[in-house]
Amino acid sequence: ETGVTQSPTHLIKTRGQQVTLRCSSQSGHNTVSWYQQALGQGPQFIFQYYREEENGRGNFPPRFSGLQFPNYSSELNVNALELDDSALYLCASSLARQGYTGELFFGEGSRLTVL
Amino acid sequence: KNQVEQSPQSLIILEGKNCTLQCNYTVSPFSNLRWYKQDTGRGPVSLTIMTFSENTKSNGRYTATLDADTKQSSLHITASQLSDSASYICVVSDHYGGSQGNLIFGKGTKLSVKP
Repeated sequence: ETGVTQSPTHLIKTRGQQVTLRCSSQSGHNTVSWYQQALGQGPQFIFQYYREEENGRGNFPPRFSGLQFPNYSSELNVNALELDDSALYLCASSLARQGYTGELFFGEGSRLTVL
Repeated sequence: KNQVEQSPQSLIILEGKNCTLQCNYTVSPFSNLRWYKQDTGRGPVSLTIMTFSENTKSNGRYTATLDADTKQSSLHITASQLSDSASYICVVSDHYGGSQGNLIFGKGTKLSVKP
């Protein structure tokens, strides 16, 4: 157990809808990052939040957005869903210190299917 | 362009046998290299993290090696068990920094251990 929990575990949406995925980070961690993992591929970095501010973003369009709350939990929001958004969405928490990318602790993921 | 290449893409071995997975990277400047184990449909779990000065690191039956000169790493699994069936992902951090966007993920090697 990594202490990182994600919800929901599975969900099905239709094209054009919006979805919110949630992540509770490990106690004491100040950084949350989100990844999209298509079937048979490695995780692709979406963005990272450090102390409630986005401080890194991968090659994803603006319809992918997020939040980090004062308790360091986080949300990933995806608007105008497309079929290609179907994937496993992973959340990872870490304790970032100056000059060092901390060890990542992943949640079990949220499996999104877009029909 | 920073890249992480893993080989083989997939591998089937018999229970009790040893195997070695490869990771080649073109990431520069290099900070650290990580190996993760990911069971199907679940989040990755950290096996090892190695910095520039570390040549080898063990975690039970898993032993990772790093050659920073040739930019190669390997993960050796000894006396394989059925529970070792998973994808093994190599991740390289390109420099000391706070953004998780500096982590470059490989696509993984899918290992199947048969009885």
